[in-house]
Amino acid sequence: QKEVEQNSGPLSVPEGAIASLNCTYSDRGSQSFFWYRQYSGKSPELIMSIYSNGDKEDGRFTAQLNKASQYVSLLIRDSQPSDSATYLCAGFSGGYNKLIFGAGTRLAVHP
Amino acid sequence: SAVISQKPSRDICQRGTSLTIQCQVDSQVTMMFWYRQQPGQSLTLIATANQGSEATYESGFVIDKFPISRPNLTFSTLTVSNMSPEDSSIYLCSLRTGIGTEAFFGQGTRLTVV
Repeated sequence: QKEVEQNSGPLSVPEGAIASLNCTYSDRGSQSFFWYRQYSGKSPELIMSIYSNGDKEDGRFTAQLNKASQYVSLLIRDSQPSDSATYLCAGFSGGYNKLIFGAGTRLAVHP
Repeated sequence: SAVISQKPSRDICQRGTSLTIQCQVDSQVTMMFWYRQQPGQSLTLIATANQGSEATYESGFVIDKFPISRPNLTFSTLTVSNMSPEDSSIYLCSLRTGIGTEAFFGQGTRLTVV
């Protein structure tokens, strides 16, 4: 069983729409979660971190964490073509040393 | 945040040879890690690079194949030994500044084994 799971996509949304990216995790002890954006040929770039239940907003990005459901999501409002990338969800497994990543969801924003 | 310099950025190597990848950080960091990203795949943790002691390897990765050095708090190397085409991947150096915190990545090394 994968410890961090994401739908690989592609998720296609029109420019200006809301993109919703989802992630589930299996380690109930996990407290910290992260969303990374990875453009083709580039290394992952941190865009959001979330440590407690509820929503966390940063500009056009909102991360949501529901520990009871073991669910993390990322909403991108007013999606732009420049948001087209692979989005990786990450969380800790077996304590706070091993950060593991989901398979990533490929997002395509079309004009 | 710390600046991570990784080199080489890419290389094409012959099978059976070895390549050493270097990772330099501009400040002292406690936690450094090496990840592999195979074509079209997500990131897989290879090992934790421990300063002054042997690296801690994840399941499926062994020291003979991926020897790691960490002589101080700003530098680490990963060697990919006796390479085969299956080793063709992107290798990423990563650091974290504390327990439970986010990871930052170097630019990556794109390795092609022919």
